[in-house]
Amino acid sequence: LAKTTQPISMDSYEGQEVNITCSHNNIATNDYITWYQQFPSQGPRFIIQGYKTKVTNEVASLFIPADRKSSTLSLPRVSLSDTAVYYCLVGATSGTYKYIFGTGTRLKVLA
Amino acid sequence: EAQVTQNPRYLITVTGKKLTVTCSQNMNHEYMSWYRQDPGLGLRQIYYSMNVEVTDKGDVPEGYKVSRKEKRNFPLILESPSPNQTSLYFCASSLSGTGGSYYGYTFGSGTRLTVV
Repeated sequence: LAKTTQPISMDSYEGQEVNITCSHNNIATNDYITWYQQFPSQGPRFIIQGYKTKVTNEVASLFIPADRKSSTLSLPRVSLSDTAVYYCLVGATSGTYKYIFGTGTRLKVLA
Repeated sequence: EAQVTQNPRYLITVTGKKLTVTCSQNMNHEYMSWYRQDPGLGLRQIYYSMNVEVTDKGDVPEGYKVSRKEKRNFPLILESPSPNQTSLYFCASSLSGTGGSYYGYTFGSGTRLTVV
């Protein structure tokens, strides 16, 4: 099962672009990479998912290099409301259906 | 509204008194899962279910039971709760449980359980 490693915390200022990198050296061929956002005492919320190269939606971009051993979540022009914990999740394969969340990255956006 | 509903939101109980936390989803999702969240440990999977009558252990199943008699419901049962099960619990569902799909989880709002 692919384990993920993320920085524990990051600080940024409003209006800046934030990049959070996740390492997943043991990712399997069929695994997708998914990122979630969690506010205190709330359930995580799906942000973006990808398999390789680049994926973009209305809130974020996800960059995945060719070897897929890492991925980077990019949040453009963050605001105070983006202060949250961000989790990188790698899906399991071979029918085990186990999903392993890391400890997440605590992003603090400063005014 | 598409959602995962957990009940109760808050629960304080005593050691050894059996309890059930309910989870229901209205999205016809096949895959459902329970997580617990503790400070510094992130989200840890307790049990998951790929479909009706199909369940399996996650990373921390000890002390918990689940059942999946209907597609929409996935209750978490603590037969004899202990203080180390004090935690924040989340139920989640997904259209497909495989890593090869473009469907993420939808999480419930959480149940904060305290066992004294």
